[in-house]
Amino acid sequence: DAKTTQPPSMDCAEGRAANLPCNHSTISGNEYVYWYRQIHSQGPQYIIHGLKNNETNEMASLIITEDRKSSTLILPHATLRDTAVYYCIVRAFYGGSQGNLIFGKGTKLSVKP
Amino acid sequence: DSGVTQTPKHLITATGQRVTLRCSPRSGDLSVYWYQQSLDQGLQFLIQYYNGEERAKGNILERFSAQQFPDLHSELNLSSLELGDSALYFCASSPSWRNTEAFFGQGTRLTVV
Repeated sequence: DAKTTQPPSMDCAEGRAANLPCNHSTISGNEYVYWYRQIHSQGPQYIIHGLKNNETNEMASLIITEDRKSSTLILPHATLRDTAVYYCIVRAFYGGSQGNLIFGKGTKLSVKP
Repeated sequence: DSGVTQTPKHLITATGQRVTLRCSPRSGDLSVYWYQQSLDQGLQFLIQYYNGEERAKGNILERFSAQQFPDLHSELNLSSLELGDSALYFCASSPSWRNTEAFFGQGTRLTVV
């Protein structure tokens, strides 16, 4: 079972920051937080991952709370092409079954003009 | 382009038949994952291979089987097909035994009639 909780849907205005929350209160010490997105039936796309420090790449920023029980994915300037289902996943960085990528229902982000 | 190639892109077949879906991972990636995505089930993890060996198994039916060959490409075999097997089937690959980011192909859309 997925070990994360995400809102089913969110709207964001084009050009504004999109902040997507994720709760993972049962995360264990060896588990990372990963974010993927899926644009309309395409293959899921990796966005970012992190352990406990905030992370940033060319696509997004990941903010993880100090207790690691929740995180927020930030798309700094959302465009219409960012409309997608966003998945927050916790998984072990090492190891077999604990490292499986298990997708929940995700958050459907709609970016509106 | 993720570098993961899946063939065929579309497949239409009749109930009771058998099909083979093929996946070529990114160059150098040793791990291959298979996922099924149907309208009412979301992304379901089926099975993972690492360097030719089965590493983890998810919700894969007994009618389904997979293998990874010495050249690292993988095949997913689906037999005794039922209408409910109609879905998108995704393959993903990742570099090593460490659970770093996985890269997904564009999927094979299977329609069973």
